[in-house]
Amino acid sequence: GAGVSQSPSNKVTEKGKDVELRCDPISGHTALYWYRQSLGQGLEFLIYFQGNSAPDKSGLPSDRFSAERTGGSVSTLTIQRTQQEDSAVYLCASSLGGAVDTQYFGPGTRLTVL
Amino acid sequence: SQQGEEDPQALSIQEGENATMNCSYKTSINNLQWYRQNSGRGLVHLILIRSNEREKHSGRLRVTLDTSKKSSSLLITASRAADTASYFCATDEHNDMRFGAGTRLTVKP
Repeated sequence: GAGVSQSPSNKVTEKGKDVELRCDPISGHTALYWYRQSLGQGLEFLIYFQGNSAPDKSGLPSDRFSAERTGGSVSTLTIQRTQQEDSAVYLCASSLGGAVDTQYFGPGTRLTVL
Repeated sequence: SQQGEEDPQALSIQEGENATMNCSYKTSINNLQWYRQNSGRGLVHLILIRSNEREKHSGRLRVTLDTSKKSSSLLITASRAADTASYFCATDEHNDMRFGAGTRLTVKP
């Protein structure tokens, strides 16, 4: 079956612009996660959704970052007024239901802020 | 915050050798998972071990868990060049999964 998909796969933007990243989880998966991986670094947890609500937003690095999920499915991660330090690969993952179920990851969106 | 810290940060071995990576965590867990990430790819789930288990096997992978030491190890036996990847452990805390920084494994042919 279809896995987690993310779009775009690559995004190059200028400093100060807003960007929107999209994640389509596996159908039926109620939990959705966003992570960030900077070059040479480990995964950094950003936000977790259970259904449409986000019980944990503690990982969002600043108020320029926001995320929403509608219909318990697609999620978008928005970064406003991008900075060069936002350059990273943004990974989305979904899991079946419980927060401790296996997470299935998408291929990621590589964001480059010039 | 990150939960689950792997060491070493980087490991380089010859094909055929065994590779051991370790993961430590700070709080109590219900389960611990290991993931692999090949360069430019997403993460792939390898194995899950529950807190009441001490050892699990999957093919050439062996995972141990010592809850008294709050640590886990991932052993890859008879390594292959294709095992070159970053390996991450993830633990559950506050009812979600948090990852460490990973171990970068390089297997030289």
